[in-house]
Amino acid sequence: AQSVTQPDIHITVSEGASLELRCNYSYGATPYLFWYVQSPGQGLQLLLKYFSGDTLVQGIKGFEAEFKRSQSSFNLRKPSVHWSDAAEYFCAVGISSGSARQLTFGSGTQLTVLP
Amino acid sequence: KAGVTQTPRYLIKTRGQQVTLSCSPISGHRSVSWYQQTPGQGLQFLFEYFSETQRNKGNFPGRFSGRQFSNSRSEMNVSTLELGDSALYLCASSFTGDRTGELFFGEGSRLTVL
Repeated sequence: AQSVTQPDIHITVSEGASLELRCNYSYGATPYLFWYVQSPGQGLQLLLKYFSGDTLVQGIKGFEAEFKRSQSSFNLRKPSVHWSDAAEYFCAVGISSGSARQLTFGSGTQLTVLP
Repeated sequence: KAGVTQTPRYLIKTRGQQVTLSCSPISGHRSVSWYQQTPGQGLQFLFEYFSETQRNKGNFPGRFSGRQFSNSRSEMNVSTLELGDSALYLCASSFTGDRTGELFFGEGSRLTVL
């Protein structure tokens, strides 16, 4: 069965510092990978996605992620964090069941940004 | 265009009651999925509807059910509520619902069961 692991439950960084959130997946076929962000009391917003092609994908708000098949990883990065980036971040793998699709999410990483 | 709209945003029920949550997808989107989010279990897939047909179902008991209408609006129902059903229920829509389709999430319906 597919699974997603986000090993860091909570990360604290200073504003302006770089950020890397880790994500490892387990899935037998070619994965469709996503990063979502959730602010308190809000739904999930898609940051970026990987389907195929270039393994370095760019997303919104200055985020990027790199797909590494050999490491089964899809880590999220940002060169300089802003206070507004404080939120919870979820990595997900999209799987198909017939023609339908569902996402399997990691447990999330809570990001705190210090001034 | 308007995003995914979920109603109600907050509700409180007691054990044994039932609840119905509503989701209006983005105009033109035909796939609607539901997810349950709890602190202990995280985000878990409930079910997915496309053109009024349930195409996929997660590992939840039969007390959890849903349906989709011809205008793509969806409802989910939880009967005989248990304390453990307290959660944020998220609805997401996509144009086709296939693996490449981006999911757009609503803000969720927060259910508290007392």
